[in-house]
Amino acid sequence: KNQVEQSPQSLIILEGKNCTLQCNYTVSPFSNLRWYKQDTGRGPVSLTIMTFSENTKSNGRYTATLDADTKQSSLHITASQLSDSASYICVVSSTGTASKLTFGTGTRLQVTL
Amino acid sequence: EAGVVQSPRYKIIEKKQPVAFWCNPISGHNTLYWYLQNLGQGPELLIRYENEEAVDDSQLPKDRFSAERLKGVDSTLKIQPAELGDSAVYLCASSLAGGRYEQYFGPGTRLTVT
Repeated sequence: KNQVEQSPQSLIILEGKNCTLQCNYTVSPFSNLRWYKQDTGRGPVSLTIMTFSENTKSNGRYTATLDADTKQSSLHITASQLSDSASYICVVSSTGTASKLTFGTGTRLQVTL
Repeated sequence: EAGVVQSPRYKIIEKKQPVAFWCNPISGHNTLYWYLQNLGQGPELLIRYENEEAVDDSQLPKDRFSAERLKGVDSTLKIQPAELGDSAVYLCASSLAGGRYEQYFGPGTRLTVT
């Protein structure tokens, strides 16, 4: 069964600090991995998307890594800001014409003063 | 360019009542998705449309849920009758055809069944 597991479930950090969120998956056959940011009361918004051959991708202060061998990904947030407070969801897509997305349960990040 | 539009944003109904949600995808996006998201969980796919055809509705509880996308553009998701356990956020997303492309999500409809 395709699964995506994220850790930690929740995280509280001080503004300006860095943090790293983890994602482990068992989705097969693998197509791509995406990180979404979901603010409270809003739909998810894509941060990064990585295919099998990519092992790192940045979007501003967000840097995602992918290890396709160990089926692990991380999302690193640098110099956190209050506006980074949100849920971060790891989503893995399988290949094929009827490709499906498997969503993780997300990591709830709270950035405080 | 407008994003995915959903309405209403919030809905409170009593159990056993019907409810409907509406979604207008991004212009040119042939693929439309309806997801259910419970609090603290990731979205779960209910149904996926390619134009007006439902290509994946395996997770849609067909005894009470129905959806339509008659002209291949906007879509309606209906629940009749609603149950307490249906309280959740219903997200609509759209993408270019084929399901391999980036999905863009709407803001969701938060349903509360009392």
